[in-house]
Amino acid sequence: DAMVIQNPRYQVTQFGKPVTLSCSQTLNHNVMYWYQQKSSQAPKLLFHYYDKDFNNEADTPDNFQSRRPNTSFCFLDIRSPGLGDAAMYLCATSRVGGLASKNIQYFGAGTRLSVL
Amino acid sequence: GEDVEQSLFLSVREGDSSVINCTYTDSSSTYLYWYKQEPGAGLQLLTYIFSNMDMKQDQRLTVLLNKKDKHLSLRIADTQTGDSAIYFCAEKQDNQGGKLIFGQGTELSVKP
Repeated sequence: DAMVIQNPRYQVTQFGKPVTLSCSQTLNHNVMYWYQQKSSQAPKLLFHYYDKDFNNEADTPDNFQSRRPNTSFCFLDIRSPGLGDAAMYLCATSRVGGLASKNIQYFGAGTRLSVL
Repeated sequence: GEDVEQSLFLSVREGDSSVINCTYTDSSSTYLYWYKQEPGAGLQLLTYIFSNMDMKQDQRLTVLLNKKDKHLSLRIADTQTGDSAIYFCAEKQDNQGGKLIFGQGTELSVKP
């Protein structure tokens, strides 16, 4: 059974039209991550939630926001998608108990976003 | 910088061994990882190694770590067509809150 579930698998939006991607987990992990992955590139961390604490990467554009209403769910909101935001968006979770933790991350299947 | 580097492509014949190489930057990384990504899918953890180890073996997978050269490798024995995928190495950056930095990925192609 899938433990990190992303919906939808494919999303098409129009230039400038807000879009929300969702992620849910059944692992009860305390940390949830959002990555952006463009073709033939490494996944790039956008931000993560450590419990309820939001941690934004310094180079994540303001256009990207996130919400985590409870332990199980996390959302990625793109306020005004541009053509350059077309990518695969990956959600991951981990159980982190401190800096010495292994930080093994479990990934969802991803949502492929197209911007027309 | 915080680049993790991998060669982009590797092609092997079925039954041969594959060796995928990676160089990382953070000498203080406590953990290093190998993930596999099949087309259209998320990343799947294959194995990881703690930095005080030189080698870790798990069935067909062998990880070698050279801390002095900051070099990590993944050897897949008896490579099968089902092993065709993109392989990412990643380092845990303990001085950056423990986040993972991924390499660009090595696309492994296994020919029958």
